[in-house]
Amino acid sequence: QSALTQPPSASGSPGQSVTISCTGTSSDVGGYNYVSWYQQHPGKAPKLMIYEVSKRPSGVPDRFSGSKSGNTASLTVSGLQAEDEADYYCVSYAGRNNYVFGPGTKVTVL
Amino acid sequence: EVQLVQSGAEVKKPGESLRISCKGSGYRFPFYWISWVRQMPGKGLEWMGRIDPGDSDTNYSPSFQGDVTISVDKSISTAFLQWSSLKASDTAMYYCARQDDTSMDIWGQGTLVTVSS
Repeated sequence: QSALTQPPSASGSPGQSVTISCTGTSSDVGGYNYVSWYQQHPGKAPKLMIYEVSKRPSGVPDRFSGSKSGNTASLTVSGLQAEDEADYYCVSYAGRNNYVFGPGTKVTVL
Repeated sequence: EVQLVQSGAEVKKPGESLRISCKGSGYRFPFYWISWVRQMPGKGLEWMGRIDPGDSDTNYSPSFQGDVTISVDKSISTAFLQWSSLKASDTAMYYCARQDDTSMDIWGQGTLVTVSS
Protein backbone atom coordinates (compact mmCIF):
# COMPACT_ATOMS: atom_id res chain seq x y z
CA GLN A 1 0.00 0.00 0.00
CA SER A 2 1.37 3.40 -1.05
CA ALA A 3 2.09 6.05 1.55
CA LEU A 4 0.74 8.59 -0.94
CA THR A 5 -2.82 8.78 -2.28
CA GLN A 6 -3.79 9.50 -5.90
CA PRO A 7 -7.15 9.13 -7.62
CA PRO A 8 -7.16 5.96 -9.72
CA SER A 9 -8.42 7.75 -12.80
CA ALA A 10 -9.02 11.14 -14.36
CA SER A 11 -10.30 12.18 -17.74
CA GLY A 12 -10.96 15.13 -19.99
CA SER A 13 -11.74 16.01 -23.55
CA PRO A 14 -9.09 17.32 -25.91
CA GLY A 15 -8.27 20.92 -25.07
CA GLN A 16 -9.60 20.66 -21.54
CA SER A 17 -7.58 20.56 -18.33
CA VAL A 18 -7.20 17.76 -15.84
CA THR A 19 -5.71 17.98 -12.37
CA ILE A 20 -4.32 15.01 -10.44
CA SER A 21 -3.82 15.17 -6.70
CA CYS A 22 -1.15 13.45 -4.62
CA THR A 23 -1.88 13.47 -0.90
CA GLY A 24 0.63 12.53 1.76
CA THR A 25 1.53 13.73 5.20
CA SER A 26 3.78 16.26 6.87
CA SER A 27 6.48 13.55 6.83
CA ASP A 28 6.65 13.43 3.06
CA VAL A 29 4.75 15.75 0.68
CA GLY A 30 4.15 18.44 3.28
CA GLY A 31 7.62 18.32 4.74
CA TYR A 32 9.77 18.72 1.64
CA ASN A 33 9.65 20.43 -1.75
CA TYR A 34 10.90 17.23 -3.34
CA VAL A 35 7.75 16.13 -5.17
CA SER A 36 8.16 14.92 -8.73
CA TRP A 37 5.73 13.59 -11.34
CA TYR A 38 6.27 10.87 -13.95
CA GLN A 39 4.34 9.93 -17.07
CA GLN A 40 4.28 6.32 -18.19
CA HIS A 41 2.80 5.09 -21.43
CA PRO A 42 1.95 1.36 -21.69
CA GLY A 43 5.04 -0.75 -22.14
CA LYS A 44 7.37 2.22 -21.79
CA ALA A 45 9.74 3.50 -19.14
CA PRO A 46 8.54 6.40 -16.97
CA LYS A 47 9.41 9.95 -17.98
CA LEU A 48 10.08 12.85 -15.62
CA MET A 49 7.51 15.62 -16.15
CA ILE A 50 7.82 17.82 -13.04
CA TYR A 51 10.46 18.04 -10.29
CA GLU A 52 10.77 20.03 -7.08
CA VAL A 53 6.97 20.49 -7.03
CA SER A 54 6.68 22.83 -9.99
CA LYS A 55 9.81 22.80 -12.17
CA ARG A 56 9.68 21.43 -15.70
CA PRO A 57 12.66 19.62 -17.26
CA SER A 58 13.81 20.80 -20.64
CA GLY A 59 11.57 19.43 -23.38
CA VAL A 60 8.43 19.00 -21.28
CA PRO A 61 5.58 21.12 -22.68
CA ASP A 62 4.44 24.04 -20.56
CA ARG A 63 0.96 22.47 -20.61
CA PHE A 64 2.23 20.48 -17.64
CA SER A 65 2.40 22.30 -14.32
CA GLY A 66 2.79 21.37 -10.69
CA SER A 67 1.90 22.89 -7.36
CA LYS A 68 1.62 22.04 -3.68
CA SER A 69 -0.54 23.11 -0.79
CA GLY A 70 0.06 21.61 2.60
CA ASN A 71 0.25 17.83 2.31
CA THR A 72 -1.20 17.70 -1.20
CA ALA A 73 0.68 18.14 -4.45
CA SER A 74 -1.06 18.50 -7.80
CA LEU A 75 -0.24 18.01 -11.45
CA THR A 76 -2.30 19.91 -14.00
CA VAL A 77 -2.33 19.09 -17.68
CA SER A 78 -3.82 21.94 -19.68
CA GLY A 79 -4.92 21.76 -23.28
CA LEU A 80 -5.19 17.97 -23.17
CA GLN A 81 -3.87 16.13 -26.19
CA ALA A 82 -4.30 12.52 -27.22
CA GLU A 83 -0.66 11.74 -26.42
CA ASP A 84 -1.23 12.81 -22.79
CA GLU A 85 -3.22 9.64 -22.22
CA ALA A 86 -0.99 7.69 -19.83
CA ASP A 87 -0.43 6.75 -16.21
CA TYR A 88 0.93 9.48 -13.95
CA TYR A 89 2.81 8.87 -10.72
CA CYS A 90 3.88 11.26 -8.00
CA VAL A 91 6.97 10.68 -5.89
CA SER A 92 7.94 12.38 -2.66
CA TYR A 93 11.01 12.32 -0.49
CA ALA A 94 9.91 10.81 2.82
CA GLY A 95 12.93 11.50 5.01
CA ARG A 96 15.62 9.08 6.17
CA ASN A 97 16.88 8.64 2.59
CA ASN A 98 13.57 7.11 1.52
CA TYR A 99 11.31 7.96 -1.40
CA VAL A 100 7.70 6.92 -1.93
CA PHE A 101 5.61 6.62 -5.08
CA GLY A 102 1.91 7.27 -5.30
CA PRO A 103 -0.25 4.43 -6.68
CA GLY A 104 -0.67 6.15 -10.02
CA THR A 105 -3.52 7.84 -11.90
CA LYS A 106 -4.71 6.72 -15.31
CA VAL A 107 -5.52 9.75 -17.45
CA THR A 108 -7.95 9.16 -20.30
CA VAL A 109 -8.47 11.63 -23.11
CA LEU A 110 -12.12 11.30 -24.11
CA GLU B 1 23.53 11.26 -25.29
CA VAL B 2 22.83 10.65 -21.63
CA GLN B 3 21.43 7.16 -21.21
CA LEU B 4 21.08 4.14 -18.99
CA VAL B 5 21.12 0.75 -20.70
CA GLN B 6 19.90 -2.26 -18.76
CA SER B 7 20.65 -5.93 -19.23
CA GLY B 8 18.21 -8.20 -21.00
CA ALA B 9 15.19 -10.14 -19.82
CA GLU B 10 15.73 -13.07 -17.47
CA VAL B 11 13.76 -16.24 -16.78
CA LYS B 12 14.69 -17.98 -13.54
CA LYS B 13 13.42 -20.67 -11.20
CA PRO B 14 12.50 -20.04 -7.55
CA GLY B 15 15.54 -20.23 -5.31
CA GLU B 16 18.00 -19.22 -8.03
CA SER B 17 20.20 -16.16 -7.78
CA LEU B 18 20.27 -13.27 -10.23
CA ARG B 19 22.11 -10.03 -10.89
CA ILE B 20 20.85 -7.48 -13.40
CA SER B 21 22.78 -4.44 -14.55
CA CYS B 22 22.39 -0.80 -15.55
CA LYS B 23 25.17 0.94 -17.48
CA GLY B 24 25.35 4.72 -17.62
CA SER B 25 26.89 6.76 -20.40
CA GLY B 26 27.03 10.33 -21.63
CA TYR B 27 27.48 11.85 -18.17
CA ARG B 28 29.76 11.69 -15.14
CA PHE B 29 28.53 8.44 -13.66
CA PRO B 30 29.88 8.97 -10.09
CA PHE B 31 28.04 12.30 -9.76
CA TYR B 32 24.47 10.96 -9.59
CA TRP B 33 22.77 8.30 -7.55
CA ILE B 34 21.31 5.28 -9.34
CA SER B 35 17.89 4.16 -8.10
CA TRP B 36 16.05 0.92 -8.77
CA VAL B 37 12.28 0.84 -9.23
CA ARG B 38 10.01 -2.21 -9.36
CA GLN B 39 6.82 -2.56 -11.36
CA MET B 40 4.93 -5.78 -10.82
CA PRO B 41 2.62 -6.93 -13.63
CA GLY B 42 -0.27 -4.51 -14.01
CA LYS B 43 0.77 -2.55 -10.93
CA GLY B 44 2.38 0.76 -10.02
CA LEU B 45 5.94 1.86 -9.50
CA GLU B 46 7.82 1.18 -6.25
CA TRP B 47 11.13 2.76 -5.20
CA MET B 48 13.47 0.01 -4.02
CA GLY B 49 16.62 1.88 -3.14
CA ARG B 50 19.61 3.74 -4.51
CA ILE B 51 23.38 3.78 -4.59
CA ASP B 52 25.94 6.55 -4.81
CA PRO B 53 28.43 5.35 -7.44
CA GLY B 54 31.07 7.65 -5.98
CA ASP B 55 31.37 5.93 -2.61
CA SER B 56 28.88 3.00 -2.84
CA ASP B 57 26.72 4.53 -0.09
CA THR B 58 23.39 2.70 -0.33
CA ASN B 59 19.86 3.46 0.89
CA TYR B 60 17.04 0.91 0.79
CA SER B 61 13.31 1.32 1.06
CA PRO B 62 12.13 -0.42 4.24
CA SER B 63 9.90 -2.52 1.97
CA PHE B 64 12.94 -4.00 0.19
CA GLN B 65 15.65 -3.94 2.85
CA GLY B 66 17.14 -7.40 3.14
CA ASP B 67 15.43 -8.75 0.03
CA VAL B 68 17.81 -7.33 -2.57
CA THR B 69 21.33 -5.97 -2.80
CA ILE B 70 22.30 -2.90 -4.78
CA SER B 71 25.93 -2.53 -5.81
CA VAL B 72 28.07 -0.65 -8.29
CA ASP B 73 31.28 -0.89 -10.26
CA LYS B 74 32.17 2.68 -11.09
CA SER B 75 35.12 1.60 -13.21
CA ILE B 76 32.62 0.37 -15.79
CA SER B 77 29.84 2.88 -14.95
CA THR B 78 27.46 0.08 -14.04
CA ALA B 79 25.05 -0.46 -11.18
CA PHE B 80 23.61 -3.81 -10.21
CA LEU B 81 20.51 -5.22 -8.53
CA GLN B 82 20.95 -8.68 -7.05
CA TRP B 83 18.86 -11.45 -5.50
CA SER B 84 20.33 -14.43 -3.68
CA SER B 85 17.17 -16.55 -3.74
CA LEU B 86 14.39 -15.54 -6.10
CA LYS B 87 10.70 -15.99 -5.36
CA ALA B 88 7.78 -16.08 -7.76
CA SER B 89 6.70 -12.74 -6.29
CA ASP B 90 9.90 -11.15 -7.65
CA THR B 91 8.43 -11.42 -11.14
CA ALA B 92 8.34 -7.82 -12.35
CA MET B 93 9.83 -5.20 -14.60
CA TYR B 94 12.79 -3.49 -12.95
CA TYR B 95 13.93 -0.02 -13.95
CA CYS B 96 17.07 1.84 -13.02
CA ALA B 97 17.04 5.63 -12.98
CA ARG B 98 19.54 8.42 -12.52
CA GLN B 99 18.62 10.33 -9.39
CA ASP B 100 19.70 13.47 -7.62
CA ASP B 101 18.12 14.59 -4.35
CA THR B 102 14.94 15.69 -6.02
CA SER B 103 14.00 13.46 -8.91
CA MET B 104 14.80 10.61 -11.30
CA ASP B 105 15.51 12.26 -14.62
CA ILE B 106 16.94 9.52 -16.83
CA TRP B 107 15.50 6.00 -16.93
CA GLY B 108 16.72 2.73 -18.31
CA GLN B 109 14.56 0.73 -20.67
CA GLY B 110 13.68 -1.82 -18.00
CA THR B 111 14.62 -5.45 -17.36
CA LEU B 112 11.83 -8.03 -17.17
CA VAL B 113 12.49 -10.70 -14.58
CA THR B 114 10.26 -13.79 -14.66
CA VAL B 115 10.50 -16.32 -11.85
CA SER B 116 8.63 -19.53 -12.51
CA SER B 117 9.07 -23.22 -11.80
